[in-house]
Amino acid sequence: GNSVTQMEGPVTLSEEAFLTINCTYTATGYPSLFWYVQYPGEGLQLLLKATKADDKGSNKGFEATYRKETTSFHLEKGSVQVSDSAVYFCALSVTNGGYNKLIFGAGTRLAVHP
Amino acid sequence: GAVVSQHPSWVICKSGTSVKIECRSLDFQATTMFWYRQFPKQSLMLMATSNEGSKATYEQGVEKDKFLINHASLTLSTLTVTSAHPEDSSFYICSVLTRGGETQYFGPGTRLLVL
Repeated sequence: GNSVTQMEGPVTLSEEAFLTINCTYTATGYPSLFWYVQYPGEGLQLLLKATKADDKGSNKGFEATYRKETTSFHLEKGSVQVSDSAVYFCALSVTNGGYNKLIFGAGTRLAVHP
Repeated sequence: GAVVSQHPSWVICKSGTSVKIECRSLDFQATTMFWYRQFPKQSLMLMATSNEGSKATYEQGVEKDKFLINHASLTLSTLTVTSAHPEDSSFYICSVLTRGGETQYFGPGTRLLVL
C-alpha cells in the first residue's frame, strides 16, 4: 500500500542550525511528493513539492530532493530561524478514482530557540 | 497558490446539536474538495472527498449520516456534524484541488468543541 514515514519529533534546534527532517515513502507507481507546514492553530500551507525522480523542490530556504532509489524526500534547511517553528508534514499524492488523494506522514514538530 | 477560507474558525456547541462548517475557494473553481480532521498533535485524517454536483465519497470508518457533506457549487462545500458529541471535538480542515491539478490547498481550519 501507500504510506509515508517521518522521523519522530520534536526536533529542537538553536537558531541558525542546520535542519534535516527525514521522510521515506512506500507507493505503487510514481507519486508526487510534498512538504506541508502547519503553524500553531492554523491549517496547512504547501511548502514545496516534487513531481518526479531527482526533482528538487525548494521554497523559503527549504529544499527536498525526490530520491526514487532510496524512496526518500528529506527536508533540509541550512540555517533555521525561530519563525520556522511549526509542524512539518511529508505527503505523497496517489490517484484514486480519477482524482489525487494525499497520504500524510505523522508530522514532525520543530522548535527553534534563540 | 489558491486561497481557501473556512467559516467559522472556531465553534463551541452543546452535545446533540448540529454544526455546519463552510469551506470556500476564493479565487478559482474547485471541482474537488476534501475534508480532514486532526486530533491534537496528530496527523490529518481524510474523512471524505467532495465532488461538485455528486455525492461525497467517504473514507472507511467515517459515518456518512453523521458527517453530511454538500458540495453546492464550484466554490463552496459544507460539512455538517449532526448530533455532535464530545468525541467529535476536533480540528476540521478542508482543502481544494484544481481541475486537472494534483496540489491541494488547505483552509485555515475550524476548531470544534462539543460540550
